[in-house]
Amino acid sequence: QISLKESGPPLVKPTQTLTLTCTLSGFSLTTSGVGVGWIRQPPGKALEWLALIYWDDDKRYSPSLKSRLTITKDTSKNQVVLTMTNMDPVDTATYYCAHSGPSRGDYYYMDVWGKGTTVTVSS
Amino acid sequence: SYVLTQPPSVSVAPGKTARITCGGNNIGSKSVHWYQQKPGQAPVLVIYFESDRPSGIPERFSGSNSGNTATLTISRVEAGDEADYYCQVWDSSSDHAVFGGGTQLTVL
Repeated sequence: QISLKESGPPLVKPTQTLTLTCTLSGFSLTTSGVGVGWIRQPPGKALEWLALIYWDDDKRYSPSLKSRLTITKDTSKNQVVLTMTNMDPVDTATYYCAHSGPSRGDYYYMDVWGKGTTVTVSS
Repeated sequence: SYVLTQPPSVSVAPGKTARITCGGNNIGSKSVHWYQQKPGQAPVLVIYFESDRPSGIPERFSGSNSGNTATLTISRVEAGDEADYYCQVWDSSSDHAVFGGGTQLTVL
C-alpha cells in the first residue's frame, strides 16, 4: 500500500532556508513512471502546487516560486527533499507531498497524499 | 499563467444533487482532476481524467468537461460529502500544475 509522510521543522525564522522530507512507503522512485510532488496550503486558503520530481529525475517547478525551490530525490533512503530559501511569514502553511503515476504534463494528477506537515515562519 | 475559477461555496440539501464548477479558458481541451478535502485532513482524489473514479470513491461522484467549464457532480448528497473541493489541471504553457480556488460544499 502506497503512503507518504512529510517531516520538517515546525518553526523557521524569516530569511532561513526550509528543508522538508517526504518519506515514501510501498513504492520507490526507482520505479519507472513514478513521480512525487509538493503542495502547500496556507491556513484557511487554497492548495498551491510547488514542485514535482519523476523517477528519471525530470523536475518541474511553480513559476512563481521557481527561484526559491529545489526538489531532489534520495533513492537510497526512498525520500524526496524540498528546499525553499528565504522563508517569509507568508510561507506559513501545511506542506503536503503526493504520489503521481506515469501520466505527465496534461495528464498529471496526484493520487495519494501524505497527511502534511505544518510550518510556521516567525521570528 | 492558467487560471481556474471556482465558486467559493455551494449549498445543497441531503439527497439532492450538487454541481461544482471549475472555469478556465478552453478547459474542455484539458484533463481535469478533482480533490475532496475535509477539515483537518489531506486532500483525496475523487475524480481524474474528467470522469474516472479511483477505487473506493462512490459512483455518486461524477465529472464532465466541455468548453470553458468542468463540473463535478455529486448525486444523492450525504452529510459526509461536506468538504472543500478543488479542481486541478496542468498548465502546459508554463509546465506546472494549477489548482482552482476551492469550493466549500455545505450540506443543509
